[in-house]
Amino acid sequence: EAGVAQSPRYKIIEKRQSVAFWCNPISGHATLYWYQQILGQGPKLLIQFQNNGVVDDSQLPKDRFSAERLKGVDSTLKIQPAKLEDSAVYLCASSPLTGSSYNEQFFGPGTRLTVL
Amino acid sequence: AQSVTQPDIHITVSEGASLELRCNYSYGATPYLFWYVQSPGQGLQLLLKYFSGDTLVQGIKGFEAEFKRSQSSFNLRKPSVHWSDAAEYFCAVGAQGNTPLVFGKGTRLSVIA
Repeated sequence: EAGVAQSPRYKIIEKRQSVAFWCNPISGHATLYWYQQILGQGPKLLIQFQNNGVVDDSQLPKDRFSAERLKGVDSTLKIQPAKLEDSAVYLCASSPLTGSSYNEQFFGPGTRLTVL
Repeated sequence: AQSVTQPDIHITVSEGASLELRCNYSYGATPYLFWYVQSPGQGLQLLLKYFSGDTLVQGIKGFEAEFKRSQSSFNLRKPSVHWSDAAEYFCAVGAQGNTPLVFGKGTRLSVIA
């Protein structure tokens, strides 16, 4: 079974530029998460999708960040314009939607963003 | 609000020595608890999880963790560390259903010969 795919793996941009990250979840997984992991910290949720609808985007800085999950499969996360403090690893995770009390999240390798 | 505290930022152990990584959580209901490992440049890999039942849970790579409700702790242990265990370890708490995880800041493990 293929895992969660993310691209690019690394990106370096200058502040005020825009950038986009792509995530392809595990086939059949209805729930998709984007987490931001700043150096020295644990991952923090940015946005959660279920199919193509947003479940939780309360922690997403909406003045500069946007995300979409068209057709309920792939997802893109965009930052425009980027700030220095956006330098982080952006992790995508997916989980199935079953009748279980909890569905494990599977993480992709992440995209490391450096803003200069 | 949920929160996770990992008091140790960095731990160094000798290969073959035992290991314990500490994790304390704050959560109003019954927590779902997890330990993940992250190697450099890699994503997060689930080591083990606790939902209910036996408070001592076994995971992959010889790791185990013990849930202690009275201490709000979920410490990770391994009896004999291997050099390949050097990585960042994250404790996380979640809730029932497809809910996001709340992570601690992580503990970096170094293994010396």
